[in-house]
Amino acid sequence: GQQVMQIPQYQHVQEGEDFTTYCNSSTTLSNIQWYKQRPGGHPVFLIQLVKSGEVKKQKRLTFQFGEAKKNSSLHITATQTTDVGTYFCAGYHGSSNTGKLIFGQGTTLQVKP
Amino acid sequence: DAGVIQSPRHEVTEMGQEVTLRCKPISGHNSLFWYRQTMMRGLELLIYFNNNVPIDDSGMPEDRFSAKMPNASFSTLKIQPSEPRDSAVYFCASSHGTRAYSNQPQHFGDGTRLSIL
Repeated sequence: GQQVMQIPQYQHVQEGEDFTTYCNSSTTLSNIQWYKQRPGGHPVFLIQLVKSGEVKKQKRLTFQFGEAKKNSSLHITATQTTDVGTYFCAGYHGSSNTGKLIFGQGTTLQVKP
Repeated sequence: DAGVIQSPRHEVTEMGQEVTLRCKPISGHNSLFWYRQTMMRGLELLIYFNNNVPIDDSGMPEDRFSAKMPNASFSTLKIQPSEPRDSAVYFCASSHGTRAYSNQPQHFGDGTRLSIL
């Protein structure tokens, strides 16, 4: 079936280091969304990418959508302790009424102060 | 603006008991989703509704699980009888959507942390 694979599962970094999580789909995506879940919290929408090769930035966060629309990445520059949490990508497959949003397993980021 | 509201926040009950989780979506959103989150299986979509109609319930684990959406502002997820393996955090989310399945951003509630003893 349709899957969205996300790596790595866990990442521990020293505060100030960079962090990247990658998302891969077995099929072409219509769009991809990224969410952040703080420990004990709920997923919160960060951004949506729609166009092939699209790059969007939110302060220290850079989101990319692959040219083939099968992969995406989230890069955080100079991590801070406030970046701690689990980052999920969610890919939307299909353009018809049968399309579906599939969440990756998430990457949990720990930041050492 | 009020977000998605879920109740209860926590539920502890003995196996075999009926459990009912409640969700009030954001006003104006016409798509509603129920998810289950565990360490082992991650975030799983159980069922989603569009305009109060269940569109896809293929994620519902088994017949012990049922969900309803009697109107645009209320949905329930019921487990009867409950089992220890149902212990998880259950999230409700809502979004705008003009199609049967919405690709718009989903807004999650705070979740219900369910423990079945």
